[in-house]
Amino acid sequence: EAGVVQSPRYKIIEKKQPVAFWCNPISGHNTLYWYLQNLGQGPELLIRYENEEAVDDSQLPKDRFSAERLKGVDSTLKIQPAELGDSAVYLCASSLTGHLGETQYFGPGTRLLVL
Amino acid sequence: GESVGLHLPTLSVQEGDNSIINCAYSNSASDYFIWYKQESGKGPQFIIDIRSNMDKRQGQRVTVLLNKTVKHLSLQIAATQPGDSAVYFCAEAGSIKAAGNKLTFGGGTRVLVKP
Repeated sequence: EAGVVQSPRYKIIEKKQPVAFWCNPISGHNTLYWYLQNLGQGPELLIRYENEEAVDDSQLPKDRFSAERLKGVDSTLKIQPAELGDSAVYLCASSLTGHLGETQYFGPGTRLLVL
Repeated sequence: GESVGLHLPTLSVQEGDNSIINCAYSNSASDYFIWYKQESGKGPQFIIDIRSNMDKRQGQRVTVLLNKTVKHLSLQIAATQPGDSAVYFCAEAGSIKAAGNKLTFGGGTRVLVKP
């Protein structure tokens, strides 16, 4: 069974440019998470979806970040415009229902470098 | 605010020895604790979890201990192997019931296995 798929794996852009990341969760997983991971730190949740609904986006910087999961399957996270401080790894994870105690499975991440 | 943190940023261990990775958490209401392993260039990989109503849980070569009195979590790896070299994160969830399966991660401990 395929795991969580993310693309691209690496992205280098200049500041003020837009960038988008794509995630396809494990088949059948209703809950999808986007995390930000800075170097040497643990992941921090940006947004959580249950099917197509964003149920927790309290940590998403809405002035420049947006996300969508239109059909409740794959998801896109966008930054516009990117800033130097956005350089990080963007991780996507999924779980079956999102209930407490359920394992979250992570993708390999997209490594973003903003110059 | 609530946080989950680690005592040691780097742990060097001889191959074949046992490893112990420690984690302190601050939210006594947390209900669920997880250990993840992250290898270079990969996303976090689930190792083992434990609920707050338990104080010990064993897996294959790994044991997680939970001491709620002092809010301390540890991961023990038996007979450490070169493949165990990675960064290990503890995470917690459940302190806010409405947050579902929202994970709060600590900062990570790097384990280096010496041959």
